[in-house]
Amino acid sequence: NAGVTQTPKFQVLKTGQSMTLQCAQDMNHNSMYWYRQDPGMGLRLIYYSASEGTTDKGEVPNGYNVSRLNKREFSLRLESAAPSQTSVYFCASSGRGGSYYGYTFGSGTRLTVV
Amino acid sequence: AQSVAQPEDQVNVAEGNPLTVKCTYSVSGNPYLFWYVQYPNRGLQFLLKYITGDNLVKGSYGFEAEFNKSQTSFHLKKPSALVSDSALYFCAVRGNSGYALNFGKGTSLLVTP
Repeated sequence: NAGVTQTPKFQVLKTGQSMTLQCAQDMNHNSMYWYRQDPGMGLRLIYYSASEGTTDKGEVPNGYNVSRLNKREFSLRLESAAPSQTSVYFCASSGRGGSYYGYTFGSGTRLTVV
Repeated sequence: AQSVAQPEDQVNVAEGNPLTVKCTYSVSGNPYLFWYVQYPNRGLQFLLKYITGDNLVKGSYGFEAEFNKSQTSFHLKKPSALVSDSALYFCAVRGNSGYALNFGKGTSLLVTP
């Protein structure tokens, strides 16, 4: 099925550990995004990639890095996880024109840092 | 900065009654506005958008939204609520970059039988 695929779906990390969240889309979309969702705070943009080869910081980039590996894949890396990074992470993509046509979201990665 | 506000954390409505989920916006220039729905343990799903044109926008699952420029509002509506409409609803606006969307904090809708 066409869409946005995120792996893993669940992860528990210890403080200081690192991990990479994977995201892939098969809709030939140009732009991809990473958001985190926290109770009472809605979705906050971490990083986005307007097109292959470019990445830009969003509202809450500290503690994260991203890689736009190719047009399909956009990964999010936590180098040294902290309890404040416990959250649900969503990847999304959009076609030409950026957000003009809205996003397609993945099903999320629930991350717990202990 | 482009932003939206959802003034209600939760909306309760009885099945069969009309529902409204409120959203106000603050933008420079013309607003690009969206509504998304999130069911438990799922990603967000697109409901509808306003870019330009008719102030009443029709979307998925019988939802519609009314764009009101003078009141800077974009309220989500449905004439007759269903229990299955119970979910978390997010209003969003296109950000300054032209790519990323800025989301509101969400409104939890509970429809009771």
